[in-house]
Amino acid sequence: DVKVTQSSRYLVKRTGEKVFLECVQDMDHENMFWYRQDPGLGLRLIYFSYDVKMKEKGDIPEGYSVSREKKERFSLILESASTNQTSMYLCVIQGVNTEAFFGQGTRLTVV
Amino acid sequence: AQSVTQLGSHVSVSEGALVLLRCNYSSSVPPYLFWYVQYPNQGLQLLLKYTTGATLVKGINGFEAEFKKSETSFHLTKPSAHMSDAAEYFCAVSDNQGGKLIFGQGTELSVKP
Repeated sequence: DVKVTQSSRYLVKRTGEKVFLECVQDMDHENMFWYRQDPGLGLRLIYFSYDVKMKEKGDIPEGYSVSREKKERFSLILESASTNQTSMYLCVIQGVNTEAFFGQGTRLTVV
Repeated sequence: AQSVTQLGSHVSVSEGALVLLRCNYSSSVPPYLFWYVQYPNQGLQLLLKYTTGATLVKGINGFEAEFKKSETSFHLTKPSAHMSDAAEYFCAVSDNQGGKLIFGQGTELSVKP
């Protein structure tokens, strides 16, 4: 079974904190994506990566950055958390010509 | 740029009635199209997908969708709704099988007894 593991299921952080969300996969897939899911807005793409040390902005990258130092790990960084970043964050992986696999999600609350 | 529009954020049907969830997309290249379902407090699960070939695609749980290029649509249907179909449904488009997915806003399906 493919495993996409997100480091935390629930997180509560204070405004202004630097927040790290980690995603690790065990399938050697090239493509990794970070989305946020909000009611009525669906899933919106924040950043993605097709290779180690490669990153591309998605549709809503403002306030976020990413790091991919190793193929299996893709980190989402909130440089200075704000209340409007309270959301469910989903890590997704895909290989070339394979299905998408979703992590269990991290529900982040910024207070 | 690709985009997806799902018409209707909430759809309510009676048990046994036809389910129709609408999805329209825009894409400058031949699209890959997907429907995902999310049951309460669960992750997203692939229902069905269109890549190439036959335009009528059958998925799990009796759902199917038809790719209509002339209408840029990929509507999801099921002939007879079941209570267990109550969930949120997401349509998504990609420009290739492994590339980024662009999702619609989601449609919440309620099924009345």
